[in-house]
Amino acid sequence: GAVVSQHPSRVICKSGTSVKIECRSLDFQATTMFWYRQFPKQSLMLMATSNEGSKATYEQGVEKDKFLINHASLTLSTLTVTSAHPEDSSFYICSAREPRGNYGYTFGSGTRLTVV
Amino acid sequence: GENVEQHPSTLSVQEGDSAVIKCTYSDSASNYFPWYKQELGKGPQLIIDIRSNVGEKKDQRIAVTLNKTAKHFSLHITETQPEDSAVYFCAASLGGGFKTIFGAGTRLFVKA
Repeated sequence: GAVVSQHPSRVICKSGTSVKIECRSLDFQATTMFWYRQFPKQSLMLMATSNEGSKATYEQGVEKDKFLINHASLTLSTLTVTSAHPEDSSFYICSAREPRGNYGYTFGSGTRLTVV
Repeated sequence: GENVEQHPSTLSVQEGDSAVIKCTYSDSASNYFPWYKQELGKGPQLIIDIRSNVGEKKDQRIAVTLNKTAKHFSLHITETQPEDSAVYFCAASLGGGFKTIFGAGTRLFVKA
């Protein structure tokens, strides 16, 4: 089946620095990828829709200048958390859909970000 | 926009019993309803899904039912096993490349 690879799985960074998270679709092309954020024991909150070759669409309340999304190719989307603060610490997950499959989305394994 | 409500938030069952998780959605245009299982520290995994033109779907011990009129759908797990313990999320979307909205999740505990 479709596989989405997400890296890194865990990252610790200092306040004020930036962190990049990669999401790759393996063996299929994804014109659209989605980025979610999940706090402990809570649901997945959609942050933005990443569109290949165009600007990302951000959900209400998500700062686009803080969470930079780049979808430069049909197999790679990146999320950069800029000027990270402790409150940005969370579990970030991407997802993509194999176009030839059903409607189901495949999720990456997630990235645990801790800002100290 | 779409809103998905999920109940219960926590469910504890004895091994071998059945577990039922219920969800409701608000947008009548939604036509695709997946269910995901998430284990600790991992991304969600699709376990079963149903489209709006189908009322019920079954895959071994897992089944999903959909009532479009009432805008609710349910996940049924029979003969539960300890390895079924996880967080389960229902979701709704317009299908295709549209975004998916998740329920709050149900933490299922299966006691051996």
